[in-house]
Amino acid sequence: NAGVTQTPKFRILKIGQSMTLQCAQDMNHNYMYWYRQDPGMGLKLIYYSVGAGITDKGEVPNGYNVSRSTTEDFPLRLELAAPSQTSVYFCASGQGGAYEQYFGPGTRLTVT
Amino acid sequence: AQSVTQLDSQVPVFEEAPVELRCNYSSSVSVYLFWYVQYPNQGLQLLLKYLSGSTLVKGINGFEAEFNKSQTSFHLRKPSVHISDTAEYFCAVSDSTSGTYKYIFGTGTRLKVLA
Repeated sequence: NAGVTQTPKFRILKIGQSMTLQCAQDMNHNYMYWYRQDPGMGLKLIYYSVGAGITDKGEVPNGYNVSRSTTEDFPLRLELAAPSQTSVYFCASGQGGAYEQYFGPGTRLTVT
Repeated sequence: AQSVTQLDSQVPVFEEAPVELRCNYSSSVSVYLFWYVQYPNQGLQLLLKYLSGSTLVKGINGFEAEFNKSQTSFHLRKPSVHISDTAEYFCAVSDSTSGTYKYIFGTGTRLKVLA
């Protein structure tokens, strides 16, 4: 099993550009999550999904969009990138509740 | 809503010394607690979790944590640390109050093991 994969690993964007961060999992997990990690701030939940076709906002959704057309994939879309979106982005999947989350290796995004 | 507080942002400790990383959470009827570790430039991986039953939970790499309901704490301990334990550690709680399972993470504690 590959687990949770994320692409790209690194990306530099100019202000106002758009991009999609890809996330895929091969563990047939219903729950998937997108977090951003900033120094000293821990992980903040951006969006999550409880199954294909169902998504919901987390703590910091502004400036982002998601879709979940399949169980495996959960892409995160950044529209009109801003310097405040410079961060490390982690995708995770799991079975919810008492079950652990499995994390991808992260995408380091810089917006200049 | 649930919240998680990790009281120490950084903890330096000498190799082979014991360490305790503190975590407190806000009260909830139903709570699951987790500790994750993040090595440099990697994602998070599970160290241990508390679901129910025995309040002392053992995890990987010699770590253990004790659930204390009256103090709403879930502190992580290791009796003797190694250089390889240098990493960032996150406490997390599973929030079921909304009917779907979201996880609330603390801000992390950076453990630095000194030779």
